[in-house]
Amino acid sequence: SYDLTQPPSVSVSPGQTASITCSGDNLQNKYSSWYQQRPAQSPVLVIHQDNKRPSGIPERFSASKSGDTATLTISGTQIMDEAEYFCQAWDISGVVFGSGTKLTVL
Amino acid sequence: QLQLWESGSGLVKPSQTLSLTCGVSGGSMSGGVYSWGWIRQSPDTGLECLGWISHGGIPYYKPSLKSRLVISIDRSKNHFSLILNSVTAADSAVYYCVRVFRDGYDLHFDLWGQGARVTVSS
Repeated sequence: SYDLTQPPSVSVSPGQTASITCSGDNLQNKYSSWYQQRPAQSPVLVIHQDNKRPSGIPERFSASKSGDTATLTISGTQIMDEAEYFCQAWDISGVVFGSGTKLTVL
Repeated sequence: QLQLWESGSGLVKPSQTLSLTCGVSGGSMSGGVYSWGWIRQSPDTGLECLGWISHGGIPYYKPSLKSRLVISIDRSKNHFSLILNSVTAADSAVYYCVRVFRDGYDLHFDLWGQGARVTVSS
């Protein structure tokens, strides 16, 4: 089965830049999306089609891809950005989510 | 603003049927690039896309669940539903209804319900 690998946790100080990676075989040929899930809340789409930000998502959220690794970047991280972040991709074999990265802002 | 909300059985006995409905409020269930789907989340398996149904009623099911899963849509009532048969404890999870955007190679979930916790237990 297809897997997307994320680090379990990332820590960042307020105001600094946080980077969360997502790796998968042949991810370079798939679109990646990213979701933010705050505790006890539903996931929210923050990036789609590799680097597009839905309306209402702050500009400090951006994403890029290099080879088979996608990276979500949060610039000027705020306390409110503390959450779990999931990457997602799909192909003919189905939809796959990464296992999630807990972002701690401290 | 379009909103999704789940309703249905929160406690299901093993081997019985899990049934959930997703109501769509604040607008109509559009077609085109949008389908309507279900995702579940548990500590053991993380986020898992179960499947979706297009505006025209064509379903997609995760292959491993295809024999137990039915997703249907009733556009006149602005809702869609999930039925999962022969449940086991492994089906215990928070179930989210979602709007699915599909356009070429881009597939993502741009709207989520608040989630419905389902426990399978006798």
